[in-house]
Amino acid sequence: GIQVEQSPPDLILQEGANSTLRCNFSDSVNNLQWFHQNPWGQLINLFYIPSGTKQNGRLSATTVATERYSLLYISSSQTTDSGVYFCAVTNTGNQFYFGTGTSLTVIP
Amino acid sequence: KAGVTQTPRYLIKTRGQQVTLSCSPISGHRSVSWYQQTPGQGLQFLFEYFSETQRNKGNFPGRFSGRQFSNSRSEMNVSTLELGDSALYLCASSLLYREGGYEQFFGPGTRLTVL
Repeated sequence: GIQVEQSPPDLILQEGANSTLRCNFSDSVNNLQWFHQNPWGQLINLFYIPSGTKQNGRLSATTVATERYSLLYISSSQTTDSGVYFCAVTNTGNQFYFGTGTSLTVIP
Repeated sequence: KAGVTQTPRYLIKTRGQQVTLSCSPISGHRSVSWYQQTPGQGLQFLFEYFSETQRNKGNFPGRFSGRQFSNSRSEMNVSTLELGDSALYLCASSLLYREGGYEQFFGPGTRLTVL
């Protein structure tokens, strides 16, 4: 299967700070998604981004498929951004491989 | 549209018992995938069903099985439960885009505790 590495594993930010989360993958992929897992375990879709750049409010993401990485940018962080961020990829249909996540804590 | 629903949300079982979890996908989505999340192993793919057929399977023992019904609802079953089966079980419903990519939407999960 595809190896997915996310960095950093843990991140503590002051409210209002910006951050960049990275996802590296070991093989070519044709699909990539970013998720936010809230404290209750729900995985919330952030981006479907097999390539290119997308923005949604304070969040944006960039995937450079040829170089096998994706970045998630969070600007002006808020306490509600706390949680675990996962990157998931696939290159064969609908079997996704997840990274180990970045645990983000935003302190007021 | 209603999101992905999973029942039950919480479950406590004892070793050796079996359990059945249910997932109803988003209306119109024909693919349903199941994942197991544990602190030690993270999120791992169990299997995927499409049009009532298992299309992909992860690396789990045969005690883990599933099925999909004609209305796309899916169930997964775990027989002879072990302590290590304690986990959050997540179901995902997938939308297939014209260019061939899938976007997955997850349900709230079923938290299984095996005593």
